[in-house]
Amino acid sequence: EAGVTQFPSHSVIEKGQTVTLRCDPISGHDNLYWYRRVMGKEIKFLLHFVKESKQDESGMPNNRFLAERTGGTYSTLKVQPAELEDSGVYFCASSRKAGTANTGELFFGEGSRLTVL
Amino acid sequence: AQKITQTQPGMFVQEKEAVTLDCTYDTSDQSYGLFWYKQPSSGEMIFLIYQGSYDEQNATEGRYSLNFQKARKSANLVISASQLGDSAMYFCAMREGRKTIFGAGTRLFVKA
Repeated sequence: EAGVTQFPSHSVIEKGQTVTLRCDPISGHDNLYWYRRVMGKEIKFLLHFVKESKQDESGMPNNRFLAERTGGTYSTLKVQPAELEDSGVYFCASSRKAGTANTGELFFGEGSRLTVL
Repeated sequence: AQKITQTQPGMFVQEKEAVTLDCTYDTSDQSYGLFWYKQPSSGEMIFLIYQGSYDEQNATEGRYSLNFQKARKSANLVISASQLGDSAMYFCAMREGRKTIFGAGTRLFVKA
């Protein structure tokens, strides 16, 4: 099966510009997560979708970040306007629901590296 | 408050030796899951091993084992017979409900 794919792999933008990151989860995975890693720090949770619904968006830094998952398939994460501190690697992950048959492990994309100048 | 703590920013190990990467966690839930992921220099995150909070035996997957001490809330990863390809970042993670949170990671260097 195809893995989690993210686009773009790297984006360089100027402060004040807009960037949209896309994530295509593994087919059939209801859970979709966005994480961010700033150099040297932990992988920080941003938000969690169950199908098209936002289950938990407690990690979203501020209202410059907007995530959507229309139709419960792919997701986008838009940053508008971007600030210097938004630089980092944005990871998307998907999973099946944890249960007796599986651990709920996360399957990650390769990340989208965002550099804001 | 930090819920996953990895106190070792970097570790060195001699090839073929065993190494333990530390992880402590904080939760009030009775049901949770603990994971270790590996991130090589290529950037992808690779799932290594899982331990459920109700599992009484320590999880093992090949050369990886998880030393689960529930009362101490620790979930250390043990890599036996280290290989050069084990050089990478290692992240400890905990799933509470549907949310998985990560520690800051430990960078492991395997010396030839």
